[in-house]
Amino acid sequence: NAGVTQTPKFRILKIGQSMTLQCTQDMNHNYMYWYRQDPGMGLKLIYYSVGAGITDKGEVPNGYNVSRSTTEDFPLRLELAAPSQTSVYFCASSYSLAEAFFGQGTRLTVV
Amino acid sequence: TQLLEQSPQFLSIQEGENLTVYCNSSSVFSSLQWYRQEPGEGPVLLVTVVTGGEVKKLKRLTFQFGDARKDSSLHITAAQTGDTGLYLCAGERAQKLVFGQGTRLTINP
Repeated sequence: NAGVTQTPKFRILKIGQSMTLQCTQDMNHNYMYWYRQDPGMGLKLIYYSVGAGITDKGEVPNGYNVSRSTTEDFPLRLELAAPSQTSVYFCASSYSLAEAFFGQGTRLTVV
Repeated sequence: TQLLEQSPQFLSIQEGENLTVYCNSSSVFSSLQWYRQEPGEGPVLLVTVVTGGEVKKLKRLTFQFGDARKDSSLHITAAQTGDTGLYLCAGERAQKLVFGQGTRLTINP
């Protein structure tokens, strides 16, 4: 079973560039989340979605955008990359607020 | 400000010792989850506690949810080197799942 799939696994961006981090899940979960994890730290919630067509801001949404046009996909968009966005990004999904299943993460470096 | 505060942030002990990790908040949570994360991987759920005062055991790990549902603890008995990792608590509140900053546990042989 695929579970939660994130692409790419690694990416280096120049300051000011934009990119989309892809996330897809095949478990028919209604909830999906994007977190960032800085070195040695916990996870900070960027955006979340409780179902297709519904998104909401988390703890650290500035500099990011999301969309949820289908149940399966929840892409995260960085419009103007900044060094402060260097981090590991995790996508997760869950059925309501039960166990969250995480992807493998995307390691992003902005130089 | 961190909604969930974990302590200690770092803990290094010898194999065979016991330890307790705490997860505290001033807010009430519908449930609390504990995750473990290995390097290069996403977190994996260990347990969910839902009822105030609830105690759950998972082999040598004991999890407790505070009576007021604002705090939780993880106790490990006779720690083993395989317990090394980052332990994260997460709380469900207002349709969001938010995490503490984690406790990095190192068990030395």
